Amino acid sequence: DIVLTQSPLSLPVTPGEPASISCRSSQSLLRTNGNNYLHWYVQKPGQSPQLLIYLASERASGVPDRFSGSGTGSHFTLKINGVQAEDVGVYFCMQSLQIWTFGQGTRVEI
Amino acid sequence: VHLAVSGGGVAQPGGSLRLSCVGSGFSFNDYEMTWVRQAPGKGLEWLVYISSSGNTKYYEESLQRRFIISRDNDGNAVFLDMNSLRAEDTALYYCLRGAVPGNYDVSTGYNHFDPWGQGTPVTVSS
Repeated sequence: DIVLTQSPLSLPVTPGEPASISCRSSQSLLRTNGNNYLHWYVQKPGQSPQLLIYLASERASGVPDRFSGSGTGSHFTLKINGVQAEDVGVYFCMQSLQIWTFGQGTRVEI
Repeated sequence: VHLAVSGGGVAQPGGSLRLSCVGSGFSFNDYEMTWVRQAPGKGLEWLVYISSSGNTKYYEESLQRRFIISRDNDGNAVFLDMNSLRAEDTALYYCLRGAVPGNYDVSTGYNHFDPWGQGTPVTVSS
């Protein structure tokens, strides 16, 4: 199984400041088609997870442009450019190169 | 697009439960479906997958086929039959839809998921 390791696991943030979460994979998630099969989700308090970023850097529909994903191979980053109060929640990465596995999650709190 | 999940509850060890997930707002028979769970204080765990036609199914090995996935495309529903339940099956169970219509596998790279239904709690306790 592919293991995804997120860091940090807890991230205190200040509104308006940037935030960054890392997701490292135990093997490359890059296919020959050029896509990295790494995706980011957020689970806000009391809600089901929702898709933020797919294929490492593609923003899902309706996701504010302060969210961005980057990285390739086995190291990926989710960045929030100017955290807002409504961004609190647990952020996790998921890979779909092989049968799906998830990172442990990063709790973002103000 | 909405996934309505039902069927969670309390079961005794060794018992069974059936979870149902009804999709609306999209062409249900075009999409893969899967179930994921989150045990208390733990991370997310993929459980089972079913292709859009229902002809292909994948199972997480540790389930030892205690869980069975099926779908009824006429009724826009996917089901998770959970048998021989154990205390460690206690979790919040989520139904998920493939984000992109069609079927994908290791030769193409698997699909990601969007949306997720609301979690339904399952508690296994005597």
